[in-house]
Amino acid sequence: EAGVAQSPRYKIIEKRQSVAFWCNPISGHATLYWYQQILGQGPKLLIQFQNNGVVDDSQLPKDRFSAERLKGVDSTLKIQPAKLEDSAVYLCASSLVRASGGARDTQYFGPGTRLTVL
Amino acid sequence: AQTVTQSQPEMSVQEAETVTLSCTYDTSESDYYLFWYKQPPSRQMILVIRQEAYKQQNATENRFSVNFQKAAKSFSLKISDSQLGDAAMYFCAYKDEYGNKLVFGAGTILRVKS
Repeated sequence: EAGVAQSPRYKIIEKRQSVAFWCNPISGHATLYWYQQILGQGPKLLIQFQNNGVVDDSQLPKDRFSAERLKGVDSTLKIQPAKLEDSAVYLCASSLVRASGGARDTQYFGPGTRLTVL
Repeated sequence: AQTVTQSQPEMSVQEAETVTLSCTYDTSESDYYLFWYKQPPSRQMILVIRQEAYKQQNATENRFSVNFQKAAKSFSLKISDSQLGDAAMYFCAYKDEYGNKLVFGAGTILRVKS
């Protein structure tokens, strides 16, 4: 079974530029998550999709971050314009059923995209 | 809001020895789920072990076991017979019964010495 795929793995941009990340979840997984992991901290959820609908985007800085999940499969996360404090690893995760499945609903993580903003 | 605290930024263990990583959390909920995730250097995060709060029995997965103390809101991870491949960042995480987002601690770096 193929895991969660993310691209690119690394990205370096100047501040005020735009950047986009792509995620392909495990086949058949209904729920998709984007996390931001700043160096030295644990991941923080940015947005959660159930199929192609948003379940939770309460911690997404909507003035500069946007995300979509067309057709309930792949997802893209965009930052426009980027700031220095956006330097982090962006993790995508997916799970089979609705998140309220509890402990049975394991989240599988991708390798992440490491973003450096100069 | 729920919080997860890992008070040990870094731990070291000798190969074949046992090490315990600490985690405490704060919640007003009675039903929830707790997890330990492992993140090796430059590799993706994987689930090590999970515990349902309504279960009194501590979860075990081969060399990994937890000590779940619900009243104390403590959830420590014990790794027995440590191996070089156990070296990684370990995150403790919480999820409420409604299945909302995972709340992670800051992580503990585990170094394994040969």
